[in-house]
Amino acid sequence: ETAVFQTPNYHVTQVGNEVSFNCKQTLGHDTMYWYKQDSKKLLKIMFSYNNKQLIVNETVPRRFSPQSSDKAHLNLRIKSVEPEDSAVYLCASSPGTGGNTEVFFGKGTRLTVV
Amino acid sequence: GDSVTQTEGLVTLTKGLPVMLNCTYQTTYSPFLFWYVQHLNEAPKLLLKSSTDNKRTEHQGFYATLHKSSSSFHLQKSSVQLSDSALYFCALSDLTRGSALGRLHFGAGTQLIVIP
Repeated sequence: ETAVFQTPNYHVTQVGNEVSFNCKQTLGHDTMYWYKQDSKKLLKIMFSYNNKQLIVNETVPRRFSPQSSDKAHLNLRIKSVEPEDSAVYLCASSPGTGGNTEVFFGKGTRLTVV
Repeated sequence: GDSVTQTEGLVTLTKGLPVMLNCTYQTTYSPFLFWYVQHLNEAPKLLLKSSTDNKRTEHQGFYATLHKSSSSFHLQKSSVQLSDSALYFCALSDLTRGSALGRLHFGAGTQLIVIP
């Protein structure tokens, strides 16, 4: 049963456009994330957000920025998309921050940049 | 830095046969290992997790044992079913910043296809 909701499911846009993806979790978790899954299915952490502390993966380009209004929502904005941004973006949340905490994923937003 | 290696990209098996998906890891911290499964067009879901050395953990017929001596956490099942066809990821908690924050390093994934 899905408890991490992402919209839209799919988005097609042109190079240089700005896009924004929404994510909401109904699990009452304190920590949320964005992961990127590329065409080879590789999953890589982009951001983690806990108690207003943002940790950015250093390989993420600056055109990507997370936006949070409260602990249940973490959106992702891409200022000027590029072809290599085509991927599935997975939002996730977790109840804690310990090493063994389970991460719950949404189904993802598939971005295609043409 | 931390890393996870899954050696098989694709495993194709006939229903009823056993399977082992390999996972090895590298970390300078005490390891927390996970297996996630992702069915087609679905979200990845936790299958197993462990941080205890040499203790078998099981769920839904799958099992794995964390072996710190060999840095391994292989996933096994004695008899695969058609519904087991999915993408399987091994993952390691990212403790490089001194606090995991639930961040995970994922392996490249193993696609398991079960045929009748």
